[in-house]
Amino acid sequence: DAGVTQSPTHLIKTRGQQVTLRCSPKSGHDTVSWYQQALGQGPQFIFQYYEEEERQRGNFPDRFSGHQFPNYSSELNVNALLLGDSALYLCASSSTGAPYEQYFGPGTRLTVT
Amino acid sequence: QKEVEQNSGPLSVPEGAIASLNCTYSDRVSQSFFWYRQYSGKSPELIMSIYSNGDKEDGRFTAQLNKASQYVSLLIRDSQPSDSATYLCAVNGAYNQGGKLIFGQGTELSVKP
Repeated sequence: DAGVTQSPTHLIKTRGQQVTLRCSPKSGHDTVSWYQQALGQGPQFIFQYYEEEERQRGNFPDRFSGHQFPNYSSELNVNALLLGDSALYLCASSSTGAPYEQYFGPGTRLTVT
Repeated sequence: QKEVEQNSGPLSVPEGAIASLNCTYSDRVSQSFFWYRQYSGKSPELIMSIYSNGDKEDGRFTAQLNKASQYVSLLIRDSQPSDSATYLCAVNGAYNQGGKLIFGQGTELSVKP
């Protein structure tokens, strides 16, 4: 049973650039949530996708956008990167019946220089 | 006031002892509560979920919930060096906040051989 997968593992970008991160949910899951985790902090909710729609959004600027595909996989896009966007980006998947039991992928470590 | 609060630690216990991790939350209508374990450089792993007042046991782990006091705890019996990690408490928001999880900053646990 494949778990949540994310790509790439690591990414280095320059300030002002754009980045796309990808996530495939655990088999049987249809909901994807994205979180940002800064060093020494707990994950912060960015947004959640269900049925290809953004269902809920956290306190992140419009530079952060996402998409969910018919196969439930998802992308996170960040435009106009800032140094403060350097963090571990986590994708979590869950099922409609248990939306709060979220299982995380290995994460993408983004460094903005 | 932070929405979910944990002592950052580090909490140090000898091998074989009971480790007690605590978490308080501010939103009285929260319904679902989770403990995640995060090893250094890795993503969070769901280890316990609890939804009603009282205790829930799973192997060496016991989660305790007291909604009146807005308090969640995790006990780890017979602690092992492999339990050394950061433990994250997560709480869902009100029922109309979808699947958003709110995390504490985590408590670092160190189990000494």
